[in-house]
Formats: sequence, C-alpha cells, structure tokens
Amino acid sequence: TQLLEQSPQFLSIQEGENLTVYCNSSSVFSSLQWYRQEPGEGPVLLVTVVTGGEVKKLKRLTFQFGDARKDSSLHITAAQPGDTGLYLCKGAQKLVFGQGTRLTINP
Amino acid sequence: KAGVTQTPRYLIKTRGQQVTLSCSPISGHRSVSWYQQTPGQGLQFLFEYFSETQRNKGNFPGRFSGRQFSNSRSEMNVSTLELGDSALYLCASSAGLAGFPYEQYFGPGTRLTVT
Repeated sequence: TQLLEQSPQFLSIQEGENLTVYCNSSSVFSSLQWYRQEPGEGPVLLVTVVTGGEVKKLKRLTFQFGDARKDSSLHITAAQPGDTGLYLCKGAQKLVFGQGTRLTINP
Repeated sequence: KAGVTQTPRYLIKTRGQQVTLSCSPISGHRSVSWYQQTPGQGLQFLFEYFSETQRNKGNFPGRFSGRQFSNSRSEMNVSTLELGDSALYLCASSAGLAGFPYEQYFGPGTRLTVT
C-alpha cells in the first residue's frame, strides 16, 4: 500500500499570511493530485502534477512536485478566508488519499 | 456538462437496516468510485467500478457492496447497518482510462446517520 502522509494535519492562520502544506510518500508516483474540500461538499480537483520538479500556479496557490516524484507541496500566498477547507493529496494512478490538512484562515 | 449527482443527500436509518445509495457520473465517464468519509478516518476508499465490473476494492467488510449499470450509474448497498457506518458517502466519477491520471470528480455526497 502506498501511503501518503500530509502535514500538518491542522493549520490555523490569519488572513494575509503565507503557508505551505506537504504531502510525502516513500513510493514514487507517476503523477500526483491535490484536491480541496469545503464543508458539506465533495472534494474538488485543483491540479495534477506530472513531471518531477514541476511547478504549477493557480492564482495564489503554487504546487510543486518533488524531483524524485515522492513528495509534493502546496504553498498559498496571502491566504484569504475563502481558502479555508480540507486539502487532500492523491497519487494519480491510485484511489487512496492522504489524511488531509485542515486549513482555517481567520479574518 | 452536468456534474456528479448523488441521491439521496441525507438519510437516517436504524441499526440492522440496509441502505442503497445512488450515483450518476459525468456523461462519458466509465469509472465510478465510492468513498466513506468520517472525521476520525478521513476519506476511505470502498470500491471502484469500471464498465460494470468491480476493478478495485478497499478494505471494508462484505456488508458493503456495489454495482454499476450499463449507463455507468452506480449504486452502493450497506446491509445490517451499524452505528459506525454513520458517515458521508462520496461518489467520484472518472474517465478511468489506463495510463492516464485518475482525475476524479466528486458528487456532494450522501450523509448517512445510523441511530
């Protein structure tokens, strides 16, 4: 079983601050995905990263895939309350998610 | 393109009863996966169906079963409900093609409460 470990599990910061959350595994992935889930809804796909070392930007969100394709990070710049949610990573060929990082942005 | 729909959205059942949940995937998608989400365990994979065949299965007891119809719609059934089955059940739709990333599109879920 390829386990995905996400850290931190919980993060609460003030609006305007920057943050980084991590997704790590001992296994190599051909690609990796990030999802965000808001209360009462299903997860929504944010991005798929495919190439080792790849960086993708989605407005204030920056996603990076590790060179060895075993880890990924999500960096949010100038966090806003609308960024609040559960952030989940998944190895793209797999159907198993990490436990998630629950992010709260306080106004 | 319509998204993934799940019915019902909310359900209250009593221990020992059984329940059937329904999922309609995005048009053209042949893969449907089911997940159980609880605060303590996170998102747990139940099973995946592709073209009416179960292709992957998670580590859940046999009380949890599913099926997929020729139009790709899927149902999951839980028999002999237990209190611990109370959870949000999520359905995810994907093209499911080999060699391509599993970009999954989720429905809003069915909130099941077992009393």
